This record gives sequence, structure tokens and C-alpha cells, in this order.
Amino acid sequence: SQQGEEDPQALSIQEGENATMNCSYKTSINNLQWYRQNSGRGLVHLILIRSNEREKHSGRLRVTLDTSKKSSSLLITASRAADTASYFCATAHPDTGRRALTFGSGTRLQVQP
Amino acid sequence: DAGITQSPRYKITETGRQVTLMCHQTWSHSYMFWYRQDLGHGLRLIYYSAAADITDKGEVPDGYVVSRSKTENFPLTLESATRSQTSVYFCASSEVQGYNQPQHFGDGTRLSIL
Repeated sequence: SQQGEEDPQALSIQEGENATMNCSYKTSINNLQWYRQNSGRGLVHLILIRSNEREKHSGRLRVTLDTSKKSSSLLITASRAADTASYFCATAHPDTGRRALTFGSGTRLQVQP
Repeated sequence: DAGITQSPRYKITETGRQVTLMCHQTWSHSYMFWYRQDLGHGLRLIYYSAAADITDKGEVPDGYVVSRSKTENFPLTLESATRSQTSVYFCASSEVQGYNQPQHFGDGTRLSIL
């Protein structure tokens, strides 16, 4: 069953604006990861936040994690047309030895030039 | 170039046929995974492998078979394809050390079963 649920399902903004996507999950995690998928391509890893971390930055990306609420957010600042893609959160769980991730259904981001 | 390669990129076949999707990685990563991506479901794990000759089922394994005789290859076989297996299939790999590792994905195989 899916763990991560992204919100919103779709988001359309103008270039230069900030984009915020949210993710909720159901059970305890080792870490939470965000991936980007351009149309017709595979997923590309963006950032990983461990369960004992609350915030992480990477370039124009800012990720927060609230384990008490089982939620995370991804903020993309000063968005560009090239940021147009689908964004997925994925969770790694300690009760499985498989190292596999559980993905949400994604947020489709459209950045208008 | 180093990376993870899937073949074919596109495949059309008929119900009842056997089809094999190939996955090859050049990093010598221990873990490899097969996911399928369908609208409204995100990615769902089909099978995974922790090392050569070690494989296990994921969330949706029925109708699929995997093998891993070499670390770098992880083929996925649909023994008798059904229309419900029409999907985009992604292979991924990750390093073995610790739980906090990203996964690296191929560009996928778009499979249509008529």
C-alpha cells in the first residue's frame, strides 16, 4: 500500500515564484527522499532527509520533515521553466530489510515562462 | 558512461507472450529493484535483489519472474503477459552501506500488451 501522499496533485506557477509540495506518510521511517521525473524519463534523486533531521537545503531546494505529523514539504525557490516535472516523495522504512522505497503518486509542477 | 540502462525502451506485445525487460548497471551496486509506474499509483515495487542470487518479492510480484546471476544485471520476465501488465517499468539500484542511500533509476521501459 502507498505510504506517501503528495499534495497538491498538480501545481502551476510563474517563473520566479516559489513552489511548495507536501507529502504525508503513515508509518515510521528511516528517511524520506524527494525525486524529480521529467516527462518520459526516469526518476532523479534530489534530496534525502533522515528521520532525526528537521530541515535540509540543497541549492534552491529546501526540505522539512515533521515526524510527529508524519509529513514533509519540498520548497523550490525562484522556480525556472526547467523545473517543470513531476515530484515524488519516497519513504524508507525500518521494518523492512528490502531497502526499497515506498512512493507517493506525485505532484505535477508546471512552471510558466 | 557509468549508469543504469534499461532495454528495450518501448515494447508492444500480445497477451500470453513471454517478454523480458533488461536492466544493466555499471556501479556494482548490491541492491537492485524493479518498479512499475501506473497513473494514480505512483511507483510500486515488483521485486528486489540484495545481491547476486538473492531476490525477493515486493508489493506486486504476481505474473513476474526475476533472476540475478551477475551483480550488474537484473532482468524482469513476464511469463505470460496480460493487459493489466501494461505499464512503465523502472529499474533502480542503490549501494549497500546503511539505509540512507538514494536510488538511481533507469529511463524505463514502456510496455504495451494488446
